[in-house]
Amino acid sequence: AQSVTQPDIHITVSEGASLELRCNYSYGATPYLFWYVQSPGQGLQLLLKYFSGDTLVQGIKGFEAEFKRSQSSFNLRKPSVHWSDAAEYFCAVGAKGRDDKIIFGKGTRLHILP
Amino acid sequence: IAGITQAPTSQILAAGRRMTLRCTQDMRHNAMYWYRQDLGLGLRLIHYSNTAGTTGKGEVPDGYSVSRANTDDFPLTLASAVPSQTSVYFCASSDSGGANEQFFGPGTRLTVL
Repeated sequence: AQSVTQPDIHITVSEGASLELRCNYSYGATPYLFWYVQSPGQGLQLLLKYFSGDTLVQGIKGFEAEFKRSQSSFNLRKPSVHWSDAAEYFCAVGAKGRDDKIIFGKGTRLHILP
Repeated sequence: IAGITQAPTSQILAAGRRMTLRCTQDMRHNAMYWYRQDLGLGLRLIHYSNTAGTTGKGEVPDGYSVSRANTDDFPLTLASAVPSQTSVYFCASSDSGGANEQFFGPGTRLTVL
């Protein structure tokens, strides 16, 4: 069964600094990978996804993520964070079968210092 | 275009009462899902439906039931609420089952006293 781990519960960075949020997954075949963002009091919004092809994926709001099969990782990056990026970020892993479900990590809460 | 709507936005409920959380989508998605979100536990799948007329159990189905009479609606019912069901509930939908992108509603905050 697939699983996903986000090692960092909280991350604090200064506005304008670079960001990397870690995500490690466990799955026997090539996974489908997602990053979602949840602003306070809101539902989840998809930032980006990886199904196949180029291992560097570009998403919305200036985010990108890189799939590294050898490390079973799908880390999210942004070169320069903005105060509006303060939110909770969820990594998720899925499989190809119709009855398979997306499994979400427990989330990383990002705090931005002015 | 509304996407996914959930009702109510929030609710305080006495233990033992019955409660139905409503979810409606207008994207004609085949698959729909109910999650609960609890601090430190992330999102956990309660029930899902891959298509109208079918439902399945997720990770934490006990105490909850669902129905899928049509494509658009996927209500979640708590037959007899307990305090451990205090949570934020999210409905989601996707174009088909499997690992496709899910679209989320705004959530229902439920407090069971």
